[in-house]
Amino acid sequence: AQSVTQPDIHITVSEGASLELRCNYSYGATPYLFWYVQSPGQGLQLLLKYFSGDTLVQGIKGFEAEFKRSQSSFNLRKPSVHWSDAAEYFCAVGALFKDTGRRALTFGSGTRLQVQP
Amino acid sequence: DTGVSQDPRHKITKRGQNVTFRCDPISEHNRLYWYRQTLGQGPEFLTYFQNEAQLEKSRLLSDRFSAERPKGSFSTLEIQRTEQGDSAMYLCASSSQQGPENEQFFGPGTRLTVL
Repeated sequence: AQSVTQPDIHITVSEGASLELRCNYSYGATPYLFWYVQSPGQGLQLLLKYFSGDTLVQGIKGFEAEFKRSQSSFNLRKPSVHWSDAAEYFCAVGALFKDTGRRALTFGSGTRLQVQP
Repeated sequence: DTGVSQDPRHKITKRGQNVTFRCDPISEHNRLYWYRQTLGQGPEFLTYFQNEAQLEKSRLLSDRFSAERPKGSFSTLEIQRTEQGDSAMYLCASSSQQGPENEQFFGPGTRLTVL
């Protein structure tokens, strides 16, 4: 079965510093990979996605992520963090339902980002 | 606003009561998903509709839970005889058959508290 691991439960960075959030996945085939962000009281917003092609993908709000098949990783990066980036970040893999071939999302447990002034 | 909407946003109920939540997906989306998110965890898949057909149900969806999408538009999730362990955020998402199959757009969620 597919799984997603986000090793860092909580990260604190200073405003203007660079950021990398880690995500490792387990899936037997080529994965569909996503990063979502969730602010308090809000739903999940898609930051970026990887389906195929270029392994470095650009997303909204200045975020990017790199798919590394050899490491089963899809880490999220941002060169300079803004105070408004403080939120919870979820990595997800889209995997096939066993019986129907249709897809569901399996999420990691999230990384909470705090931004210090 | 043409995003996914959910109602109510918050629900407090006593153990043993029934509750019903509603989700209105993006209008042209024919696929609808329900997830549950407990504190400190990522969302967990509950069930999936394509049009009015419920095509997948997670083992998390006990027999106290039922979901419907009668006309292939809005959906309802009912929990009967609520338990304290049902306290969670219930998220709805929708996606289009035209786009990448798993690009799901999420609503703001309904937070359920069972006393």
